Amino acid sequence: DVVLTQSPLSLPVTLGQPASISCRSSQSLVHSDGNTYLSWFQQRPGQSPRRLISKVSNRDSGVPDRFSGSGSGTDFTLKISRVEAEDVGVYYCMQGTQWPFTFGPGTKLEIK
Amino acid sequence: QVQLQQWGAGLLKPSETLSLTCAVYGGSFSGYYWTWIRQPPGKGLEWIGEVTHSGTTSYAPSLKSRVTMSVDTSKNQYSLNLSSVTAADTAVYYCARGRNPYYWGQGTLVTVSS
Repeated sequence: DVVLTQSPLSLPVTLGQPASISCRSSQSLVHSDGNTYLSWFQQRPGQSPRRLISKVSNRDSGVPDRFSGSGSGTDFTLKISRVEAEDVGVYYCMQGTQWPFTFGPGTKLEIK
Repeated sequence: QVQLQQWGAGLLKPSETLSLTCAVYGGSFSGYYWTWIRQPPGKGLEWIGEVTHSGTTSYAPSLKSRVTMSVDTSKNQYSLNLSSVTAADTAVYYCARGRNPYYWGQGTLVTVSS
């Protein structure tokens, strides 16, 4: 199985400051069709996960533009340009390139 | 607007079979993979498997021997059965649309306890 490693696992951030989460894969996530199926999800306390970004950098409708995704191959990053209170939660990367699809362990973002 | 609504028994005894159903409202039922994902309390997310509208399934190897998924296209519903449950199967179970899910169900907490 593809193993996704996230760092940090805990991320205390001051309001208005940037935040960055790394996701590294044990294998290249480039699919044979040329796409890289790496997504980011946000899970607020008590809620279902919410997709933020798909295929590395495509932000979903309604997702604030302070969220951005980047990377390639095995190294990916989710960045929040200015953290707001509503961003508190756990962030997961997920790969949909190789079955079984897998999630990273999650990064818990909290306000410092 | 697509909505996924799920239901099923929330408390099971060891060795029983977990059964959950997810109803899809809005949007097309065909042309998508329909997915089940679970999350043990306080832990991360785990893929269980997927089923297409035609009934083609793929299961996570770790659960394959105990999982069955099915669809009822007449009702736009799909189901998950997980047999011989143990305490390790205690989790919130989510239904979701697609291999890169944008739409999720509300989650169902299933507790396995004697």
